[in-house]
Amino acid sequence: AQSVSQHNHHVILSEAASLELGCNYSYGGTVNLFWYVQYPGQHLQLLLKYFSGDPLVKGIKGFEAEFIKSKFSFNLRKPSVQWSDTAEYFCAVGTGGFKTIFGAGTRLFVKA
Amino acid sequence: DAGITQSPRHKVTETGTPVTLRCHQTENHRYMYWYRQDPGHGLRLIHYSYGVKDTDKGEVSDGYSVSRSKTEDFLLTLESATSSQTSVYFCAIRAQGNQPQHFGDGTRLSIL
Repeated sequence: AQSVSQHNHHVILSEAASLELGCNYSYGGTVNLFWYVQYPGQHLQLLLKYFSGDPLVKGIKGFEAEFIKSKFSFNLRKPSVQWSDTAEYFCAVGTGGFKTIFGAGTRLFVKA
Repeated sequence: DAGITQSPRHKVTETGTPVTLRCHQTENHRYMYWYRQDPGHGLRLIHYSYGVKDTDKGEVSDGYSVSRSKTEDFLLTLESATSSQTSVYFCAIRAQGNQPQHFGDGTRLSIL
């Protein structure tokens, strides 16, 4: 069955630290990849997406993600986090059908 | 933000009562989804729709039914609410199969 795995359930960082959140998926075909962010008490918002082309994707708020096809990975990165990045982050994979598979989420807490 | 309205935003009800949640969109998108979000489980798909009167089950559909009589409205019904259905419910819409989903603000449902 198709699945998405986010390795870290909770991450705590200090401001200005670098961030990398892992995401791996299991599906052998063509995929569309997404990262969403959910700030406390809010709905999910799209951070970035990958459909094809350059595997390094830049999104909003200084986030980027790299698609490594051979590793079935789509890790999210940010060089320097801010307190306002405290949120839950979801990796998601679309396989061209009706559904999108979401990971369980990673809660990021950034200490001021 | 995409034009998605969920109602009600908060509801408290008793075990055994029927509950209907409404998702209304103004984007004319084909696909609509209902998810529930619970700590430690991320987002789980309840039901989805790929057109008017076209719906299908997701991974946690037991105890829930849906209807879509118009493109803009997708209703989620709990026929006889149970405490295990206490959750935050999110509606999402999508234009085409490979596009990202856009989420509503959620409905916080408590069943006592």
